[in-house]
Amino acid sequence: SYDLTQPPSVSVSPGLTATITCSGDKLGEKYVCWYQQKPGQSPVLVIHQDTKRPSGIPERFSGSNSGNTATLTISGTQAMDEADYYCQAWDSSFVVFGGGTKLTVL
Amino acid sequence: EVQLVESGGGLIQPGGSLRLSCAASGFTVSSSYMSWVRQAPGKGLEWVSLIYSGGTTSYADSVKGRFTMSRDNSKNTLFLQMNSLRAEDTAMYYCALLLRSTGEFDYWGQGTLVTVSS
Repeated sequence: SYDLTQPPSVSVSPGLTATITCSGDKLGEKYVCWYQQKPGQSPVLVIHQDTKRPSGIPERFSGSNSGNTATLTISGTQAMDEADYYCQAWDSSFVVFGGGTKLTVL
Repeated sequence: EVQLVESGGGLIQPGGSLRLSCAASGFTVSSSYMSWVRQAPGKGLEWVSLIYSGGTTSYADSVKGRFTMSRDNSKNTLFLQMNSLRAEDTAMYYCALLLRSTGEFDYWGQGTLVTVSS
C-alpha cells in the first residue's frame, strides 16, 4: 500500500505564511491535491494537479510537488483559514489520503 | 449546479447491512467518475470506493468483499451496499464527484452518518 504522511498540526500567526507538507515515496511522480475541512463541514478542494486552484479559491493558496514531498502554502494566512487540511494522491486506481494537518491561526 | 445528496445512514447492529444512496443533479452519473469517502468521528478521511464512467469499480482493502458500489443511470443515483458491517465502519460517508481523470474530488455531498453498534 501507499502512504502519505502529514504533520498532525501546524501553527501560524495571522498575516504570515503557513506551510503544510505531505510526504510519500516518489510523490513527485503523482498528481497531488489538497482539501480544506472546517468543523462540521464537507471537505473543499483547494489545490489540484499539484499547483492548480479551483475557481473561487483565494490566490493565497498555492501548491508544489517534487521528489518525495508536496507542499501546501498559505500566504498571508487569515483566521478563516483555520481548518484541517488533507493531501491526496491517486496511485494505480487507488485513492490515498494523508492523515490530515490541523492548522491553527493564533 | 452540481449537487450531491446522500441518504440511507443510521444505526445498525454489527453484522448487518445498509444501503447508502447519493442523488446527483447538475451532471450525469453514468458518464462520470464518482467515489465514496468516509470519516470516522474525530478522524481523517478514508477512501472507500470508486466507480469509473465505464462502470468498473475499485475498493479499499478495508471494505473489499463487503461493500459494493453501483449506480442507477435512470435515477442519476449512486449507491453503496454495505454488508457484514463492523464497529470500525462507523463514520460519516460522503459521495464525491471527480471532474477529471487526475483523481481529485471536485464536489462533495453533505454526508450521511453510519453508526455500527449493538
